[in-house]
Amino acid sequence: DAKTTQPPSMDCAEGRAANLPCNHSTISGNEYVYWYRQIHSQGPQYIIHGLKNNETNEMASLIITEDRKSSTLILPHATLRDTAVYYCIAWDGKTSYDKVIFGPGTSLSVIP
Amino acid sequence: DAGVIQSPRHEVTEMGQEVTLRCKPISGHDYLFWYRQTMMRGLELLIYFNNNVPIDDSGMPEDRFSAKMPNASFSTLKIQPSEPRDSAVYFCASSWTFSGNTIYFGEGSWLTVV
Repeated sequence: DAKTTQPPSMDCAEGRAANLPCNHSTISGNEYVYWYRQIHSQGPQYIIHGLKNNETNEMASLIITEDRKSSTLILPHATLRDTAVYYCIAWDGKTSYDKVIFGPGTSLSVIP
Repeated sequence: DAGVIQSPRHEVTEMGQEVTLRCKPISGHDYLFWYRQTMMRGLELLIYFNNNVPIDDSGMPEDRFSAKMPNASFSTLKIQPSEPRDSAVYFCASSWTFSGNTIYFGEGSWLTVV
């Protein structure tokens, strides 16, 4: 199972793009990269996922490097409500859910 | 949709007491998960069910913990007897399919054992 590493914390100015990196150098070819976030006092919330191609939805964009060893979650115009812990998870979508590992994540602070 | 509903939201209990946490998953979801979150260990999967049947309980810490899902709309996580180290936030989540992008979490039950 691929492990992911993320910086423990980041700051971002309100209105600017927040770029959250994730390293998954041991990811296997069939493992997706999932991003979740957890706002204080709430349960985690799914954001986006991808396998090889870059992905975009109404919440964020996901950029995966060609070698798939790292990815970046982009919040294009961060707001104060985006202050949360962001988790990057590598999982193949087939093995047991105990392989869906929420690590320490990155604590993003959006500053006014 | 009301989302995943957990109760109680907050509970303070004395060591040795029985604690029962309750969860109502989103209607139509076939998978139900119980997670525990602490500062030390982060978010850990305790057990998950598919169609009311426990599939993987390898994350249940010890025999003091038990989980049941008597029907598709209700699950319980019980701790008996409770200990101070059980203090944590317990999340219930549900999903309509086996995937990583369809898991919906409740707001958690904050348990303090004194």
